Amino acid sequence: KAGVTQTPRYLIKTRGQQVTLSCSPISGHRSVSWYQQTPGQGLQFLFEYFSETQRNKGNFPGRFSGRQFSNSRSEMNVSTLELGDSALYLCASSLAQTYSGRDEQFFGPGTRLTVL
Amino acid sequence: AQSVTQPDIHITVSEGASLELRCNYSYGATPYLFWYVQSPGQGLQLLLKYFSGDTLVQGIKGFEAEFKRSQSSFNLRKPSVHWSDAAEYFCAVVRDDYKLSFGAGTTVTVRA
Repeated sequence: KAGVTQTPRYLIKTRGQQVTLSCSPISGHRSVSWYQQTPGQGLQFLFEYFSETQRNKGNFPGRFSGRQFSNSRSEMNVSTLELGDSALYLCASSLAQTYSGRDEQFFGPGTRLTVL
Repeated sequence: AQSVTQPDIHITVSEGASLELRCNYSYGATPYLFWYVQSPGQGLQLLLKYFSGDTLVQGIKGFEAEFKRSQSSFNLRKPSVHWSDAAEYFCAVVRDDYKLSFGAGTTVTVRA
């Protein structure tokens, strides 16, 4: 069974632009979570989607948004990019058939975003 | 808010030696605790988890962790380290608001 895939793997953007990152969960997984990883702040939770509904959200500005499609694939969007948005963005999926927030999460390799 | 602390930023260990990584949690009730490993350029892989029951948890790759409520700790151990264990290790806890909160991570270097 294929793991979590994220596209693109690397991305370079300039300040003020917007970016969309994609995540395909493991087949059968209905929950997708997003995390931002930076050297200074570590791993921080962005949001979680379950059955196309955002179930949880971290403390990030409204420039960060996401959505989940009926096939469980998810996208996250960052508008008006800032230098501080440079990070590794990780997506994780879980098999949970009902929302609990406590199921094992399987992580993708991440998208490395660099903002110049 | 519930959180985990990893006191050691970097640990160097010789191949074949034992390894122990520390994790302290802040939580009133029984926490949901995890240990993840991240190799360079990779995502996170779950090593083991603790929800309840037996306080000594066995994981993958020969790792184990012991939950000690009296010390608010969930330390990760491996009896004999291999060069492939060089990576960054993260302890994490599920908070009451269902958000997964990670520690700052411990980088493990394995010397020959």
